[in-house]
Amino acid sequence: QVQLVQSAPEVKKPGASVKLSCKTSGYNFGVHTITWVRQAPGQGLEWVGWIATYNGNTNYAHKFQGRITMTTDTSTSTAYMELRNLRSDDTAIFYCARKTYYYDSSGFPLSYYFDYWSQGTLVTVSS
Amino acid sequence: DIQMTQSPSSLSASVGDSITITCRASQSISKRLNWYQQKPGKAPELLIYSASTLQSGVPSRFSGNGSGTEFTLTISSLQPDDFVTYYCQQSDSIPPVTFGGGTKVEIK
Repeated sequence: QVQLVQSAPEVKKPGASVKLSCKTSGYNFGVHTITWVRQAPGQGLEWVGWIATYNGNTNYAHKFQGRITMTTDTSTSTAYMELRNLRSDDTAIFYCARKTYYYDSSGFPLSYYFDYWSQGTLVTVSS
Repeated sequence: DIQMTQSPSSLSASVGDSITITCRASQSISKRLNWYQQKPGKAPELLIYSASTLQSGVPSRFSGNGSGTEFTLTISSLQPDDFVTYYCQQSDSIPPVTFGGGTKVEIK
């Protein structure tokens, strides 16, 4: 079965960096883009960015550009997200999720959804 | 960027009630709209994609409607497990991805 399993919770000081992992199994890693979504305590969902696993192309939300890097290791079917220069308002649960396209009857891609999610990793930024 | 406005932010209902949550996009997104359910302490789960297509395994009491800029999620005959939080998400082809602010469904 499809699984996305993230690394353990992290506690970091302001200004530090954190690198989260998202190990996948149960499907062909290179077929599905991995997206990252974060959720601050008691708040809604915020898209962080995504990485196309077949070629490494990335797309980041504007607010993170310059301090975020997403990578993959195809040999272990694992995606990584590194966030640098952490601030207290980066405290959040970070989720990775699999992006899946759906198609019309002619096979033309119509759009996508996020169908499998990890359990999430809490990142706490505190001095 | 496409903004998603979800309403209400919270609502109270009873088991067996029918409720409707609305999501409005700041520009037309055709039917490129997904709905997720999030239980406390858990990751979101996909309920509906393409505005009205139920994800496999989702009970038929959930339904979605709409196109363009206005969308609805309806839950008929609320069950105890349904009293959680719901999010819409636009899946237009160009990033960024945006989510609605969420609707928390509480027991009256």
